[in-house]
Amino acid sequence: SQQGEEDPQALSIQEGENATMNCSYKTSINNLQWYRQNSGRGLVHLILIRSNEREKHSGRLRVTLDTSKKSSSLLITASRAADTASYFCATDADDYKLSFGAGTTVTVRA
Amino acid sequence: DAGVIQSPRHEVTEMGQEVTLRCKPISGHDYLFWYRQTMMRGLELLIYFNNNVPIDDSGMPEDRFSAKMPNASFSTLKIQPSEPRDSAVYFCASSSYRGSNQPQHFGDGTRLSIL
Repeated sequence: SQQGEEDPQALSIQEGENATMNCSYKTSINNLQWYRQNSGRGLVHLILIRSNEREKHSGRLRVTLDTSKKSSSLLITASRAADTASYFCATDADDYKLSFGAGTTVTVRA
Repeated sequence: DAGVIQSPRHEVTEMGQEVTLRCKPISGHDYLFWYRQTMMRGLELLIYFNNNVPIDDSGMPEDRFSAKMPNASFSTLKIQPSEPRDSAVYFCASSSYRGSNQPQHFGDGTRLSIL
């Protein structure tokens, strides 16, 4: 079963706008990761946030983690056409295997 | 770094045929994972290896599926006999750790269609 669930399922924005997607999970975690998948390609790791961290930045990406609410958010600022992709959160549970959510599909319109 | 390499990228075959998917992980990574991605079920972990040894195959759907890792630089996922419901994209990933404190590096997948 999936540990993480992304919301919304799909998002369409204009180039230059910000995109925010959320991930909720069920059980306590050690770390949470975000991945991007372009059409026809494999998943690419974006950012890892540890359970004792609240916020992390990487370029135009900002990830927050609220362990009390069992949720994380990924913000992409100043979006570009190349950001069009599906975004997945991944967490582990007691068995240490990564569990991926169903993903948020982001479309950036020119 | 060449990344994780999978072959073939696309495979179309008829029901009942044997299918073999191949993966070359990133050198130095001790963990190798096989995933299956479908619209209905998302990304599912099928099996993972540590130092060439299968550790957890609880995600392998049926006995028709088997995976091997004869050495640190090569793994195969075999389906015999194949069925239309096996149609999916199969990904191989490698990592220096099994859990979430290290990223997994994915290949570009094999898109499998069983007719």
